[in-house]
Amino acid sequence: SAVISQKPSRDICQRGTSLTIQCQVDSQVTMMFWYRQQPGQSLTLIATANQGSEATYESGFVIDKFPISRPNLTFSTLTVSNMSPEDSSIYLCSVELQQVNYGYTFGSGTRLTVV
Amino acid sequence: AQSVAQPEDQVNVAEGNPLTVKCTYSVSGNPYLFWYVQYPNRGLQFLLKYITGDNLVKGSYGFEAEFNKSQTSFHLKKPSALVSDSALYFCAVRESGGYQKVTFGTGTKLQVIP
Repeated sequence: SAVISQKPSRDICQRGTSLTIQCQVDSQVTMMFWYRQQPGQSLTLIATANQGSEATYESGFVIDKFPISRPNLTFSTLTVSNMSPEDSSIYLCSVELQQVNYGYTFGSGTRLTVV
Repeated sequence: AQSVAQPEDQVNVAEGNPLTVKCTYSVSGNPYLFWYVQYPNRGLQFLLKYITGDNLVKGSYGFEAEFNKSQTSFHLKKPSALVSDSALYFCAVRESGGYQKVTFGTGTKLQVIP
């Protein structure tokens, strides 16, 4: 099955700065999804990224805070902007793979700590 | 709006005993249902899914789940638990057809006691 590479795996950032998380898939996919997960808790969908169009954000998430790029069918980035300690979380990218037939595959996640 | 409920924050089971992790769901149309497992400091791993057909679905690592439409449940089961099954388990649901958003449950921590 396809592999998702996500980086960085973890980072410690100063408040007020921004971090860009990269997600690379080794096959072409239509949609890529970005989630946030507090350690040991459930996943919350941030946005859905289609290639060639603006991302669709879920309630409570805005483009200015979480800008997303999707330049091609195998790559996406999520930026966490103007970070505060409340942004400390695990960020995960996910794709729906044809060969898994509606199953979703996740990257290994980015553990972000804002100090 | 769709939702998933995992009523147990934690399930403890002795090694070798059968285990059940409960999940109920709510969607407007026909559901697609999933179970994922997350080991400490790792991403989510797909276990199994129900799309259509046989209500009993078999997945990875000996796990299975039974879709019960009348009870809107999709409980995860395994006949004999292993210590290595200890992890965080998530149930998820989406509506059938085209692209639909996936909603995750709050997760159940499974602790298998040697």
